[in-house]
Amino acid sequence: DQQVKQNSPSLSVQEGRISILNCDYTNSMFDYFLWYKKYPAEGPTFLISISSIKDKNEDGRFTVFLNKSAKHLSLHIVPSQPGDSAVYFCAASGLNAGNNRKLIWGLGTSLAVNP
Amino acid sequence: NAGVTQTPKFQVLKTGQSMTLQCAQDMNHEYMSWYRQDPGMGLRLIHYSVGAGITDQGEVPNGYNVSRSTTEDFPLRLLSAAPSQTSVYFCASSLSPRGPSSGNTIYFGEGSWLTVV
Repeated sequence: DQQVKQNSPSLSVQEGRISILNCDYTNSMFDYFLWYKKYPAEGPTFLISISSIKDKNEDGRFTVFLNKSAKHLSLHIVPSQPGDSAVYFCAASGLNAGNNRKLIWGLGTSLAVNP
Repeated sequence: NAGVTQTPKFQVLKTGQSMTLQCAQDMNHEYMSWYRQDPGMGLRLIHYSVGAGITDQGEVPNGYNVSRSTTEDFPLRLLSAAPSQTSVYFCASSLSPRGPSSGNTIYFGEGSWLTVV
């Protein structure tokens, strides 16, 4: 059972417009959320994160919004650039039943930004 | 600035063969881990280590062994390769032994593509 869901496998956006990538989670124990970006033939790289005590975190063109009541977060990229074309992974961190911290990954959304 | 270095990048194995995927980091990170990425499965944790001499199992440990004799190195061993182990493997590290939590960013290697025939 996927605890972290990225329901859109792919997204296509025009250059200069906003890209919105969504992520839903089921476990209310998650207290930290991260977004990673992955180019083909490379490892994922950290993009932005948010603590569960916040509802927004911004870093340049990237903003992550967290809606705890809906167990939903989204990554906004404004304006989108062709170099943003990559797979974006949502990940959630929290303590499991054994009081161990785990990081659970979504399946990723492939973003294509068209010139 | 090497970061996390994985070798080899590509490998083809025959069923039953053994091999070791090497991982080294030069950032003095306490936490190291191995993931595999498969289509439709996302990133799954195989094994992790919170410091030299300490290892633990992740979600999918079967068929893999690890050891952590030094802070820098965290090799992943396949003792008897099976076609189900065909995957892309990523090594990752993090400064804090708490690993990927709170503000502890994890850094990934470039990946190792393994095919078992």
